[in-house]
Amino acid sequence: GENVEQHPSTLSVQEGDSAVIKCTYSDSASNYFPWYKQELGKRPQLIIDIRSNVGEKKDQRIAVTLNKTAKHFSLHITETQPEDSAVYFCAAILSNDYKLSFGAGTTVTVRA
Amino acid sequence: GAVVSQHPSWVICKSGTSVKIECRSLDFQATTMFWYRQFPKQSLMLMATSNEGSKATYEQGVEKDKFLINHASLTLSTLTVTSAHPEDSSFYICSAVGAGRPQETQYFGPGTRLLVL
Repeated sequence: GENVEQHPSTLSVQEGDSAVIKCTYSDSASNYFPWYKQELGKRPQLIIDIRSNVGEKKDQRIAVTLNKTAKHFSLHITETQPEDSAVYFCAAILSNDYKLSFGAGTTVTVRA
Repeated sequence: GAVVSQHPSWVICKSGTSVKIECRSLDFQATTMFWYRQFPKQSLMLMATSNEGSKATYEQGVEKDKFLINHASLTLSTLTVTSAHPEDSSFYICSAVGAGRPQETQYFGPGTRLLVL
């Protein structure tokens, strides 16, 4: 199966600064990489995703980059706001079984 | 569209009893549903994959006789925690993949918090 590692486990940033979370995966057959935001006691919310045929994707203040050769992908949040405070999970899916393998999560705190 | 509900949202039960959790796709048909468990401050761990009309497939280390999954229709899957014990206390989340939709896109339910006393 797929193994996804995520760093850092916690991240504290000043409002307005950028936040970067990095993940690595083990199986080169993985081809879909979603990022989820989870607030306490709530369901994970998909915030952005990237497929293996794309190197970068951006949606307003959020961007994701993928390096297939190195098997890592990163989430970038610019101009952070207090409402960005949450736990963020990266995940990867193998093309043949559609099972999500989650990273351990990053608790992001945006200081006002 | 693509709304998934879970019932109940939280449940408290005594040790040794069984608890049933329902996962419903409200506005689409779900060919596959997944069941996850999330302990406090941890990630989501896949427990099993449920396909309509067939037996669920369980991840390694998940007891199929303890966590009974039934996917009787294209809009409903149930997870029954049998003979629950305090260590089964967790946040249980389901997700659904829609028929005719990208298979990698999972729509998550709101979760069910289980506390076993």
